[in-house]
Amino acid sequence: AQSVTQPDIHITVSEGASLELRCNYSYGATPYLFWYVQSPGQGLQLLLKYFSGDTLVQGIKGFEAEFKRSQSSFNLRKPSVHWSDAAEYFCAVGGPSGYSTLTFGKGTMLLVSP
Amino acid sequence: DAGVIQSPRHEVTEMGQEVTLRCKPISGHDYLFWYRQTMMRGLELLIYFNNNVPIDDSGMPEDRFSAKMPNASFSTLKIQPSEPRDSAVYFCASGTGINSPLHFGNGTRLTVT
Repeated sequence: AQSVTQPDIHITVSEGASLELRCNYSYGATPYLFWYVQSPGQGLQLLLKYFSGDTLVQGIKGFEAEFKRSQSSFNLRKPSVHWSDAAEYFCAVGGPSGYSTLTFGKGTMLLVSP
Repeated sequence: DAGVIQSPRHEVTEMGQEVTLRCKPISGHDYLFWYRQTMMRGLELLIYFNNNVPIDDSGMPEDRFSAKMPNASFSTLKIQPSEPRDSAVYFCASGTGINSPLHFGNGTRLTVT
């Protein structure tokens, strides 16, 4: 069965600093990978996705992620964090029945300090 | 586009009571998913529907849980009887295919005392 590990429960970053959120996956075939963001009291919003092709994918709000098959990783990055980026971030892998049947990581809470 | 609409936003009930959560998917979306979010287990897929038909309910934790989709614009998740360990945020999501990005509702926070 597929699984997703986000090793960092919380991360604090200064506003304007760069950000990297880690994600490792376990999946038997070529994975479909996603990053979602959840603001307090809100649902999940898709930031970006990887299906195939270029291993560096661009998303909304200035985020990008890089797929590294050799490391089974799909880390999320942003060069300069804004206070409005404070939220919880979830990495997910699509299931064998279709990539809408997602398996999520436990999430990483991003705190942004002034 | 009003997005996926869930009701109620918050539900507080006593153990043993029946709870019904509601979801209205985005018009035209023929896939509907129910997820549950807890601190311990994170986000878990409970069940999903295609064209109002349940396709995979293997994530439904117990027989106390049931879900229906009587038409393309409405789905319910029912817990009967409810227990304190059912306390969680329940999300509904919809999509245009089994390989389409999901659109999530804002969730229903359920507290069972």
